[in-house]
Amino acid sequence: EVQLVESGGGLVQPGRSLRLSCAASGFTFDDYAMHWVRQAPGKGLEWVSGISWNSGSIGYADSVKGRFTISRDNAKNSLYLQMNSLRAEDTALYYCAKGPSSSWYANWFDPWGQGTLVTVSS
Amino acid sequence: EIVLTQSPGTLSLSPGERATLSCRASQSVSSSYLAWYQQKPGQAPRLLIYGASSRATGIPDRFSGSGSGTDFTLTISRLEPEDFAVYYCQQYGSSPTFGQGTKVEIK
Repeated sequence: EVQLVESGGGLVQPGRSLRLSCAASGFTFDDYAMHWVRQAPGKGLEWVSGISWNSGSIGYADSVKGRFTISRDNAKNSLYLQMNSLRAEDTALYYCAKGPSSSWYANWFDPWGQGTLVTVSS
Repeated sequence: EIVLTQSPGTLSLSPGERATLSCRASQSVSSSYLAWYQQKPGQAPRLLIYGASSRATGIPDRFSGSGSGTDFTLTISRLEPEDFAVYYCQQYGSSPTFGQGTKVEIK
């Protein structure tokens, strides 16, 4: 069974940094692209970033470009999101999700983890 | 960026009824790269449909997707109690975007 377990969320002040992690199991991690998708409290879904199987191709939403960095460690079956210069509008539940292929482009997301909550507030 | 607009915002129906959800794109979605998700309170989204009309693994056949270009539809043929939830469409022909969601509630 595919499992994705996020961690690293918490309360952080505006302008500070946070690093999220996603531990993957139940599939051959380095065969697939991976993504981060977020959901602000009571709101809809927003794609944040995607990374190809070998980290050779990466994409970001305009809202996080230059502030967030996605990475992966295939030896550890893990996905990461380094979030710098955090803003109040980054407050959300952050989901890790698997893509259907090795490229991050043209992906639907299946399955999703349960998410880790990031709250940006002073 | 492709903007997806879902309608209606809320659909009030009874179990056993048919639900028709719409997703309209601001520009043509290439290769019918359109997916649908179901989200229940406190849960992560679940993939229902990809490629506009292909059901994901384990999804009951009462769920069907159709459409192309800029107009897409998710149909639930006969609502079961567990189908009352929020549904999102997503396009992946360019940088991924989601619709704002349609809530299907019990009438």
